[in-house]
Amino acid sequence: KNQVEQSPQSLIILEGKNCTLQCNYTVSPFSNLRWYKQDTGRGPVSLTIMTFSENTKSNGRYTATLDADTKQSSLHITASQLSDSASYICVVSDAGGTSYGKLTFGQGTILTVHP
Amino acid sequence: DAGITQSPRHKVTETGTPVTLRCHQTENHRYMYWYRQDPGHGLRLIHYSYGVKDTDKGEVSDGYSVSRSKTEDFLLTLESATSSQTSVYFCAISDGSNSPLHFGNGTRLTVT
Repeated sequence: KNQVEQSPQSLIILEGKNCTLQCNYTVSPFSNLRWYKQDTGRGPVSLTIMTFSENTKSNGRYTATLDADTKQSSLHITASQLSDSASYICVVSDAGGTSYGKLTFGQGTILTVHP
Repeated sequence: DAGITQSPRHKVTETGTPVTLRCHQTENHRYMYWYRQDPGHGLRLIHYSYGVKDTDKGEVSDGYSVSRSKTEDFLLTLESATSSQTSVYFCAISDGSNSPLHFGNGTRLTVT
């Protein structure tokens, strides 16, 4: 069964500090890995998408890494801001032949940034 | 935000009543999806559509039906709502399997 595990479940940091969120997956065959940010009461918003051949992708202060050999990904947030407080969701797409790509969602890491 | 509108944003209904949630997009994307989000679970796919009148089941489709008569509209119907269908429902759209999903802001449904 395809699974995506995220850690930690929740994290509290001070404004201005950096943090790293982890994602381990057992999805096969692998197509791509995505990170989403979900603010309270809103839908998830895409941060990055990485395919098998990409091991790093940045979006502003967000940098995602992918190790397809160990099936691990991380999301690093630099110089955190209060607006970074949100749930961060790791999503893995399989390459099972469907045109829409079957997605497996992690449960998310809840990040709280304190002033 | 991508042009996705979900309606209603909140709904309270009684067990056994039918409920229809609407998703409207202005992006002309081919694929549309309905997900539910519950505590302790990741987002779970209910149904998806890959074109007008082309739909298929997701992993939690029991008790739900969908229809897509126009590119821009995707309806989710609970034929007879149950308390286990209390959830937040998200509509999403995409261009294809390697494209990002764009989500609406959700409909919070409470079945009493």
